[in-house]
Amino acid sequence: ETGVTQTPRHLVMGMTNKKSLKCEQHLGHNAMYWYKQSAKKPLELMFVYNFKEQTENNSVPSRFSPECPNSSHLFLHLHTLQPEDSALYLCASSPKRGDTDTQYFGPGTRLTVL
Amino acid sequence: SQKIEQNSEALNIQEGKTATLTCNYTNYSPAYLQWYRQDPGRGPVFLLLIRENEKEKRKERLKVTFDTTLKQSLFHITASQPADSATYLCALVSDSSYKLIFGSGTRLLVRP
Repeated sequence: ETGVTQTPRHLVMGMTNKKSLKCEQHLGHNAMYWYKQSAKKPLELMFVYNFKEQTENNSVPSRFSPECPNSSHLFLHLHTLQPEDSALYLCASSPKRGDTDTQYFGPGTRLTVL
Repeated sequence: SQKIEQNSEALNIQEGKTATLTCNYTNYSPAYLQWYRQDPGRGPVFLLLIRENEKEKRKERLKVTFDTTLKQSLFHITASQPADSATYLCALVSDSSYKLIFGSGTRLLVRP
């Protein structure tokens, strides 16, 4: 295991639901990331937090709302999603933003929007 | 436009052979390049990092080369095993930002 956990592993939701994805890292890292991975497409960086501060929002629609209460936890709040938002959502962490930036990924949450 | 390209077709090889995967990039000047392995339904796992001033990096059966003139990295697995079957992603960080940009990956299948 990489030291990064994500829950739930699978989520099915309707377009009117509100749900949250949770990520926790046990590595003592200070940077955390959300990525979206759709079939046959590269990982898309969504959000970056460095020392609990959001440092990057990669033009993500407002129906995705991140929250980082401390350096070990990261949430992605979801509301009024669209079917095209169905994908694997990956959380990652790294010691800090920048430098060699090797990232440690969680197993992902497979999201299906009906 | 900036692009990272990996062969979208699966690479199918016989056990024991050397697998060679390619990562090409355009309009980037990466300070370093990374390779990750991803198994189905799992997150990527870091394998190797190579810096722009390094030509080659090795780790056990893995070898990565980095040619900044050709704008290409090659990833080799020697004495391949069925357990090496996975998707391999290259990722780079540009000098101008700290974003890690991923290619779409190449799937490797090693036949017993």
